[in-house]
Amino acid sequence: GAGVSQTPSNKVTEKGKYVELRCDPISGHTALYWYRQSLGQGPEFLIYFQGTGAADDSGLPNDRFFAVRPEGSVSTLKIQRTERGDSAVYLCASSLLGRTTSGANVLTFGAGSRLTVL
Amino acid sequence: AQTVTQSQPEMSVQEAETVTLSCTYDTSESNYYLFWYKQPPSRQMILVIRQEAYKQQNATENRFSVNFQKAAKSFSLKISDSQLGDTAMYFCAFMKHSSGTYKYIFGTGTRLKVLA
Repeated sequence: GAGVSQTPSNKVTEKGKYVELRCDPISGHTALYWYRQSLGQGPEFLIYFQGTGAADDSGLPNDRFFAVRPEGSVSTLKIQRTERGDSAVYLCASSLLGRTTSGANVLTFGAGSRLTVL
Repeated sequence: AQTVTQSQPEMSVQEAETVTLSCTYDTSESNYYLFWYKQPPSRQMILVIRQEAYKQQNATENRFSVNFQKAAKSFSLKISDSQLGDTAMYFCAFMKHSSGTYKYIFGTGTRLKVLA
């Protein structure tokens, strides 16, 4: 697509429920990133994919968080047994990688998914 | 581990004036990229400017320029002729690309308000 698309844009759920957040990156972008942003804070790294595999998942806060990218394009961030502290905006970004590719290594962000856990 | 520090939580500037946002970072890497991203109230983050560490020349994009001091690990953003549309959160970000890793670390941001 022309840009990075994230759905839903807003999600309200109850404590303990399961949620899925979807990211559709720019076509052809090999890298896909998930960040979490709390109010007034900078984006906090969660995980990134190169192709289908998670290249670095060191930012996932605990085992309630999981992300997949089965075909190397769309990614889903999954949160089990949600807690009030999970409330934040979840940002997805994609990029080309490489030192010589024009426009490489520049993140293009989606508009984010705002998660509210009651 | 790499860290990015933005020591100015909020700044304001009069329209048409010049403002400089500060950013320092800590790394032992020699090859990396630095970025400034802008996040308007509408939330979507967009790239302002980027700098490759091996390039000594400071990057410039129209009214936006950087002062990259590699030895001091400093990467400030200068906005000239400030416009009302520049009002936003500005984030400094670091990315290393050695060892096949492409992980971006962001600072906590500076909220810039341009005053009419």
